[in-house]
Amino acid sequence: DTGVSQNPRHKITKRGQNVTFRCDPISEHNRLYWYRQTLGQGPEFLTYFQNEAQLEKSRLLSDRFSAERPKGSFSTLEIQRTEQGDSAMYLCASSLEGDSRSEKLFFGSGTQLSVL
Amino acid sequence: ILNVEQSPQSLHVQEGDSTNFTCSFPSSNFYALHWYRWETAKSPEALFVMTLNGDEKKKGRISATLNTKEGYSYLYIKGSQPEDSATYLCAFDYMDSNYQLIWGAGTKLIIKP
Repeated sequence: DTGVSQNPRHKITKRGQNVTFRCDPISEHNRLYWYRQTLGQGPEFLTYFQNEAQLEKSRLLSDRFSAERPKGSFSTLEIQRTEQGDSAMYLCASSLEGDSRSEKLFFGSGTQLSVL
Repeated sequence: ILNVEQSPQSLHVQEGDSTNFTCSFPSSNFYALHWYRWETAKSPEALFVMTLNGDEKKKGRISATLNTKEGYSYLYIKGSQPEDSATYLCAFDYMDSNYQLIWGAGTKLIIKP
């Protein structure tokens, strides 16, 4: 197993364009998370999937953001009509549901988005 | 609003010296405290998940302690090496969090050879 994989590593786009990022979690992990991180800040929770079900979504997340996890495997995060404030590192993490609800997260390397 | 504070923001340490830094979190509704190490151009890597007051965990030269009653955790690095240079993040999990960890901004550690 090669760990959590995210594509692309970098994305530069013009304001107003749509972008989509992909995350491939560790294969047996049923939990998947998306986070956003800007310089000097800690990761900010965006959304959480258990298998294919999206169970939590941050109230701070605008309607321009949508995520899917068809078949409970890979996930995509789409941002529509990008704005300069969307520029950030988008991190994906996965975990395996165990005895504790708070299992350690395995992260991908992230997608760095720059909106011009 | 739940807040997690990490201090210091950055730290320069001479190779071979030991160091420690702090994560402060709300003392109520505690469920778990996570520590991660994030090296530049790599993925954040889990160090510890701590759940019990008084917990001490160790991984090689790195160890962590937890005080849930006063709301703090310390991360210690003994005999710092260049490969310890990274940002160390803590994350607070609380009752009814619905999997939404609250993260600190991290402590950036730079080891000087």
